[in-house]
Amino acid sequence: KAGVTQTPRYLIKTRGQQVTLSCSPISGHRSVSWYQQTPGQGLQFLFEYFSETQRNKGNFPGRFSGRQFSNSRSEMNVSTLELGDSALYLCASSATGMPTDTQYFGPGTRLTVL
Amino acid sequence: QQQVKQSPQSLIVQKGGISIINCAYENTAFDYFPWYQQFPGKGPALLIAIRPDVSEKKEGRFTISFNKSAKQFSLHIMDSQPGDSATYFCAASPLDDYKLSFGAGTTVTVRA
Repeated sequence: KAGVTQTPRYLIKTRGQQVTLSCSPISGHRSVSWYQQTPGQGLQFLFEYFSETQRNKGNFPGRFSGRQFSNSRSEMNVSTLELGDSALYLCASSATGMPTDTQYFGPGTRLTVL
Repeated sequence: QQQVKQSPQSLIVQKGGISIINCAYENTAFDYFPWYQQFPGKGPALLIAIRPDVSEKKEGRFTISFNKSAKQFSLHIMDSQPGDSATYFCAASPLDDYKLSFGAGTTVTVRA
């Protein structure tokens, strides 16, 4: 079974630009969550989608948005990039999204904002 | 604001030694406590998890100890091996929520 895939793996952008990251979950998984990982902060929850519906959202500004498609693939978008948005963005998929349901993480997209 | 506080930030242990990582939380709604292991260039992977109705759970060389009254839990890696060198994250969540709150992570280095 193929794992969670994220594209692209690396991105370099400049301040003010916008970026779209993509996540393909494990086949059959309907829940996709996104996390931002930075040194010293660990993983910060961004949002979770299930069957194209956002069920939960973390404490991030409105510049961070996401969506999920009918095939469970998900995208997240960051508009008006700031230097502080430089991070590893991880997505995780699970069958139901419940915390006791194992979340499988992708390798992440490394975003660098110059 | 970190809802789960993790310590230490890093630790070095000799091969065969015991690694201990501690986490503390305040939210009494947390009801599920997983630990994740992350190797460089990879996403985190679930290592072991515990519910507060038990005080200890062991899987191989990895043991979670849970103290509900103190709102603390810890990961013990027994007989540490060089292959255990990784970053470990504790996490917590209410059972009816769809997100995990993670600690800041502990980088474990096992010296041969």
